[in-house]
Amino acid sequence: DAGVTQSPTHLIKTRGQQVTLRCSPKSGHDTVSWYQQALGQGPQFIFQYYEEEERQRGNFPDRFSGHQFPNYSSELNVNALLLGDSALYLCASSLSKGGFSAKNIQYFGAGTRLSVL
Amino acid sequence: RKEVEQDPGPFNVPEGATVAFNCTYSNSASQSFFWYRQDCRKEPKLLMSVYSSGNEDGRFTAQLNRASQYISLLIRDSKLSDSATYLCVVNSLNSGGYQKVTFGIGTKLQVIP
Repeated sequence: DAGVTQSPTHLIKTRGQQVTLRCSPKSGHDTVSWYQQALGQGPQFIFQYYEEEERQRGNFPDRFSGHQFPNYSSELNVNALLLGDSALYLCASSLSKGGFSAKNIQYFGAGTRLSVL
Repeated sequence: RKEVEQDPGPFNVPEGATVAFNCTYSNSASQSFFWYRQDCRKEPKLLMSVYSSGNEDGRFTAQLNRASQYISLLIRDSKLSDSATYLCVVNSLNSGGYQKVTFGIGTKLQVIP
């Protein structure tokens, strides 16, 4: 049973560039959430996708956008990269079973470490 | 006030010691609670859910106090392999009825030989 997979594992970009990160959820999961984790901080919620739509969004600018595909995989896009975007980007998947419960457990991928120079 | 607050530590404890972490949350409507473990430069992994009646998993005990809005994690007989950051996670439903997951900053534990 494949867990959550993310690619690439590491990425180096320069300011102003654009980046796309990818995530495949755990088998059977239908919901994907993205988090940004800066060094020494807890993960900060970016947005969540379900049924190919962004269902909710954290306090992140429009430079951060995403997509979910029919196979439930997801992409996170960041435009006009800033130095402050350097972080570990985590994807988490969960099963909503057609309804949302605060008891749904999220499983994380290994993350993509983005460095912006 | 942060939605979920944790002491970042570090907590430096000798092998075999008992250590406890607390986490407070501000949303009284929060519905479920978890502890995740995160090793250095790795992803968070679920350690245990926290139930109202308290629950135990081997050397780990989690408790919830809804009246005071805090959860705790107790680790007995600490092992070197317990060295990690422990993240408190609080789940609620937002105004749209969707799951809202909030992480604390994490508490760093270092078990010393």
